[in-house]
Amino acid sequence: GEDVEQSLFLSVREGDSSVINCTYTDSSSTYLYWYKQEPGAGLQLLTYIFSNMDMKQDQRLTVLLNKKDKHLSLRIADTQTGDSAIYFCAQRGSGGYNKLIFGAGTRLAVHP
Amino acid sequence: EAGVAQSPRYKIIEKRQSVAFWCNPISGHATLYWYQQILGQGPKLLIQFQNNGVVDDSQLPKDRFSAERLKGVDSTLKIQPAKLEDSAVYLCASSLELSYNSPLHFGNGTRLTVT
Repeated sequence: GEDVEQSLFLSVREGDSSVINCTYTDSSSTYLYWYKQEPGAGLQLLTYIFSNMDMKQDQRLTVLLNKKDKHLSLRIADTQTGDSAIYFCAQRGSGGYNKLIFGAGTRLAVHP
Repeated sequence: EAGVAQSPRYKIIEKRQSVAFWCNPISGHATLYWYQQILGQGPKLLIQFQNNGVVDDSQLPKDRFSAERLKGVDSTLKIQPAKLEDSAVYLCASSLELSYNSPLHFGNGTRLTVT
């Protein structure tokens, strides 16, 4: 079936890099996404990567995709306290219709 | 542009009562989604509309949940009767179209507590 797995918690020091990892099951996924959720808010799209790419960089964010291992990672450079949130990895569901399958989320805590 | 609007923000009801949530998507967005997010889990799709037609409701517990999008704009999600396990955040999202590169935009959600 379709499944997305993430580690549940990550703690980093302010100014360090954060790396959030995700594994997915559907090798036919065309797009893979990272969303950010702050307390009491909805999900905000951070970035996405198309399946024919290995890497995508967007300012402080770097997404790495290893299709062989079905592994996706999000690196946040120079992590700030404002980056504290829950980060969700998502893959496209099969059967079309733009359906997203989300992981359980990784809670990132940034401390001074 | 204005984002996805949802109301109410919070709702507390007793089990076996009914409840309704409202969503207004981003103007011009044809596709609307309702997701359920149980505490500690990722969002799970309940139902997806393209304009006023349902394209996926395979995960919707149809014995108690219903949703409609009559004029292809606003949508309501109803639960009747509610169970304790329905306690969750109900997120509405919209996208411009059904295509794979059309990103989803989420509202802030309605937090439902069933006692």
